[in-house]
Amino acid sequence: EDQVTQSPEALRLQEGESSSLNCSYTVSGLRGLFWYRQDPGKGPEFLFTLYSAGEEKEKERLKATLTKKESFLHITAPKPEDSATYLCAVQAEGSARQLTFGSGTQLTVLP
Amino acid sequence: DSGVTQTPKHLITATGQRVTLRCSPRSGDLSVYWYQQSLDQGLQFLIQYYNGEERAKGNILERFSAQQFPDLHSELNLSSLELGDSALYFCASSVMSTGRNEQFFGPGTRLTVL
Repeated sequence: EDQVTQSPEALRLQEGESSSLNCSYTVSGLRGLFWYRQDPGKGPEFLFTLYSAGEEKEKERLKATLTKKESFLHITAPKPEDSATYLCAVQAEGSARQLTFGSGTQLTVLP
Repeated sequence: DSGVTQTPKHLITATGQRVTLRCSPRSGDLSVYWYQQSLDQGLQFLIQYYNGEERAKGNILERFSAQQFPDLHSELNLSSLELGDSALYFCASSVMSTGRNEQFFGPGTRLTVL
């Protein structure tokens, strides 16, 4: 069974204080690892897809990396508008493409 | 705006009732996925349709059913509702082709069962 564990559950940062969120996963065969951002009461917003170990992707203050067992979402010099829940999900090899999600990291950036 | 639309935004109903949630995928996307998000369970995959055919089932209760129509919109039917069915229900869509696996989520339908 595919499993995704995210840590920490919650993270409070001061504006400008860089940090990383962790996503550990077990999957029979990884098709892709996805990062989403979710604001309260809204649908998840797609951020990144990573396909193979060693891959990195960046978008503004966010950078996602992937190893064979985990992924990190690095947040550099965060701003209050980066406050949200960040979700990690894996997609296994096979004909279906459903996502298995972690429980998320709730990030709060204080001004 | 992801391009995925869901209606209604909110539904308030009573136990034992039946409701229908509707989803229109992004233009060009053939695959539709339904997910349930509750406080204690997180985002859970329910069911997937691809071009009108059921492709995969997750933790979907027998009281729940779905279908995808020829115009590719999808409906999720929830019957004999229980208090525990109160949750956010999201629809996502994807192209589902080699090299393009991203799923784009709609704004969700918040279901409250009283």
